[in-house]
Amino acid sequence: GEDVEQSLFLSVREGDSSVINCTYTDSSSTYLYWYKQEPGAGLQLLTYIFSNMDMKQDQRLTVLLNKKDKHLSLRIADTQTGDSAIYFCAENPGGGADGLTFGKGTHLIIQP
Amino acid sequence: DVKVTQSSRYLVKRTGEKVFLECVQDMDHENMFWYRQDPGLGLRLIYFSYDVKMKEKGDIPEGYSVSREKKERFSLILESASTNQTSMYLCASSPGNIEKLFFGSGTQLSVL
Repeated sequence: GEDVEQSLFLSVREGDSSVINCTYTDSSSTYLYWYKQEPGAGLQLLTYIFSNMDMKQDQRLTVLLNKKDKHLSLRIADTQTGDSAIYFCAENPGGGADGLTFGKGTHLIIQP
Repeated sequence: DVKVTQSSRYLVKRTGEKVFLECVQDMDHENMFWYRQDPGLGLRLIYFSYDVKMKEKGDIPEGYSVSREKKERFSLILESASTNQTSMYLCASSPGNIEKLFFGSGTQLSVL
């Protein structure tokens, strides 16, 4: 199967920027996604980027896509305690509707 | 807002029991999915469905079956529960041609 890789933990100070990185394998993925999971909850779609874009900005969130290196990143500006969660990178292999392939998730830990 | 409802938040079952996990979505989505989430393994796709009475195996279908008799409802069935099926089960749905998954809150199943 396809592999989506991301580091398991990231610790940042409140107010700093967080950058969560991800590498994926399927170059035919139409979209790439970031999902957020808060404790005890399901996954919530945070943002996504079409594969022919290299950047998308949405308020405090910036998504960068390097298609050549199959690298995706999520930058959260001015990180707040409410941003503490697990962040999942995902791709849709083959560009089809057969479900998404998720990374194992990055735990974002906010230090006061 | 899209609502994906999983009938139980927590379930405790015994080895060998038949277990039904129910999921209902209220946005007339064509696609529905069942994932399981385990620490260190992330999300893995069990089964998905494109339409009523249609089902497709995901990456780890062994030990599971599904039922989709109505468009809004997708059931996951464990014919004979085993301890290695203790996990968080997440249901999701998406519109037919748009690859955004909307997740339920999850069912934490413990098999003793």
